[in-house]
Amino acid sequence: NAGVMQNPRHLVRRRGQEARLRCSPMKGHSHVYWYRQLPEEGLKFMVYLQKENIIDESGMPKERFSAEFPKEGPSILRIQQVVRGDSAAYFCASSPPGSGANVLTFGAGSRLTVL
Amino acid sequence: AQTVTQSQPEMSVQEAETVTLSCTYDTSESDYYLFWYKQPPSRQMILVIRQEAYKQQNATENRFSVNFQKAAKSFSLKISDSQLGDAAMYFCAYRSSMKTSYDKVIFGPGTSLSVIP
Repeated sequence: NAGVMQNPRHLVRRRGQEARLRCSPMKGHSHVYWYRQLPEEGLKFMVYLQKENIIDESGMPKERFSAEFPKEGPSILRIQQVVRGDSAAYFCASSPPGSGANVLTFGAGSRLTVL
Repeated sequence: AQTVTQSQPEMSVQEAETVTLSCTYDTSESDYYLFWYKQPPSRQMILVIRQEAYKQQNATENRFSVNFQKAAKSFSLKISDSQLGDAAMYFCAYRSSMKTSYDKVIFGPGTSLSVIP
């Protein structure tokens, strides 16, 4: 069981470019959560998805950020027109059906640096 | 809204000794879950221990135990016989049991633990 796989581990973008972060949940997990960790801070909830559905996006910035979890393939967190303030570590977590956020398995994170 | 506070940004402990990390939280709910997560230098978030608020008995996992004081809204983590591999950031976290927000885990700012050989 490979666990939650995130890629890329490190991504460098210039201001105005797009960033795409991918997350493959653990085998058997159908719920995906994205969290952002700014330097020297704890993780902040962004969005919760199930296959083909966004369940809760209350933590997502209203503009430039979007997330999807298609029927096939990984979940994608997309940041358009990145700015320096988007520099952070983005963590994906997954959980099995019925457990909610009680049984979260985290990936190793994707560190985004915006120049 | 719920908040989680960790008042110790940094702590250190001698190898083999015991250390306690503090956490307080604010909520108006009576049923919820509390967690301690560990984030080593690899940055992987690892669940250390979980406590259900309706359980009076404090959770334990090997060398890790909690002191859950519901009335005081306090949830401290005790690490016994500290090992070098315990050096990490430790995050206290809260999860509501309400269906409208049960998907969110709210994290504290973290405590950086150093273990001195």
